[in-house]
Amino acid sequence: NAGVTQTPKFQVLKTGQSMTLQCAQDMNHNSMYWYRQDPGMGLRLIYYSASEGTTDKGEVPNGYNVSRLNKREFSLRLESAAPSQTSVYFCASSGKIMNTEAFFGQGTRLTVV
Amino acid sequence: AQSVSQHNHHVILSEAASLELGCNYSYGGTVNLFWYVQYPGQHLQLLLKYFSGDPLVKGIKGFEAEFIKSKFSFNLRKPSVQWSDTAEYFCAVINSGGYQKVTFGTGTKLQVIP
Repeated sequence: NAGVTQTPKFQVLKTGQSMTLQCAQDMNHNSMYWYRQDPGMGLRLIYYSASEGTTDKGEVPNGYNVSRLNKREFSLRLESAAPSQTSVYFCASSGKIMNTEAFFGQGTRLTVV
Repeated sequence: AQSVSQHNHHVILSEAASLELGCNYSYGGTVNLFWYVQYPGQHLQLLLKYFSGDPLVKGIKGFEAEFIKSKFSFNLRKPSVQWSDTAEYFCAVINSGGYQKVTFGTGTKLQVIP
């Protein structure tokens, strides 16, 4: 069981470049999330998707767009990368029914120079 | 909206010391509660979870947590920490109503000194 798969694991971008972080889960979960993790700031929610076709902004959505392509996949796009977006990005998913926890991907370490 | 507070941001302990990390949440309805651990350079992994029943839950590696509903708390404990427990610990809550959404605390960095 793969769980939550994120790609790429590492990426270096120049300021102004664009890229898409991919995330897929094979647990038939409804909810998917994108977080960024920065030193001293814990996990901050960027975007959230409760189900296929729906997305909601989290705490720090500026500079990002998301797409819930289908139930399995939830991508995060940086249209014009900025150094402030240097961070570690985690995708997660959780089920709709009770008694389920969130599962995390391995993370993407993004550096914008 | 639900929220989670972790008041200890950075804790330093010597090996064999006892650990208690605080977690308080705010949400009026039924919740599921979790503690996650993130070892250096790794992703978050589930340490333990509370759904219902016995409010004292035991997790992996000797960790336990107690749910006190009247205090909206879910504190993490370990009687005797080891150097390998050095990590960041996150408390999280999922509401039970409608579509579930996970909310995390800001995390507590634990450093265990040999």
